[in-house]
Amino acid sequence: ETGVTQSPTHLIKTRGQQVTLRCSSQSGHNTVSWYQQALGQGPQFIFQYYREEENGRGNFPPRFSGLQFPNYSSELNVNALELDDSALYLCASSFFTTGELFFGEGSRLTVL
Amino acid sequence: GQQLNQSPQSMFIQEGEDVSMNCTSSSIFNTWLWYKQDPGEGPVLLIALYKAGELTSNGRLTAQFGITRKDSFLNISASIPSDVGIYFCAGFPSGGGADGLTFGKGTHLIIQP
Repeated sequence: ETGVTQSPTHLIKTRGQQVTLRCSSQSGHNTVSWYQQALGQGPQFIFQYYREEENGRGNFPPRFSGLQFPNYSSELNVNALELDDSALYLCASSFFTTGELFFGEGSRLTVL
Repeated sequence: GQQLNQSPQSMFIQEGEDVSMNCTSSSIFNTWLWYKQDPGEGPVLLIALYKAGELTSNGRLTAQFGITRKDSFLNISASIPSDVGIYFCAGFPSGGGADGLTFGKGTHLIIQP
């Protein structure tokens, strides 16, 4: 148990819809990052939040957006869903931006 | 972007055997992390390495941060059935944390009875 919790665990959406995924970070951690893991691949960095500001972003389009709240919990929002967005979305928290990342169990998104 | 080359892609071994896997990069990394992921779950951190040349153990697991800062290896001694899973290397490139962790494609460990 890492103390990082994600919800929902599974969800199904249709193309063009919007989705919000949620994450509660481990106690004492001030940095949250999100990763997308396609089947059979390693996780890919989406973005990172520190002190409620996005301070790093991977190669993902603007329809992927996020928030970090004062209690360090976070949301990932994806607009205009595409079939290729089907993946496991992982949230990770850490004590600082280059520290050890502790992952939640992920949210499995299926886009039909 | 950065890429990590992780090998082997999969390993079929007998219980009790030792395992070795490695990760290489064309560029320098400041931190190396090794994770294990079981089906349907998130990656679990096994070992973190912060200094070139550092050798760190966690039970039957040993990992090293390569002296060139472009590679790392993970060894598992006397494998047991619960070692089955996918092992990922990951690292923060030398530019800092804003680029997030770069992951390898994973080594799938399968233990034959």
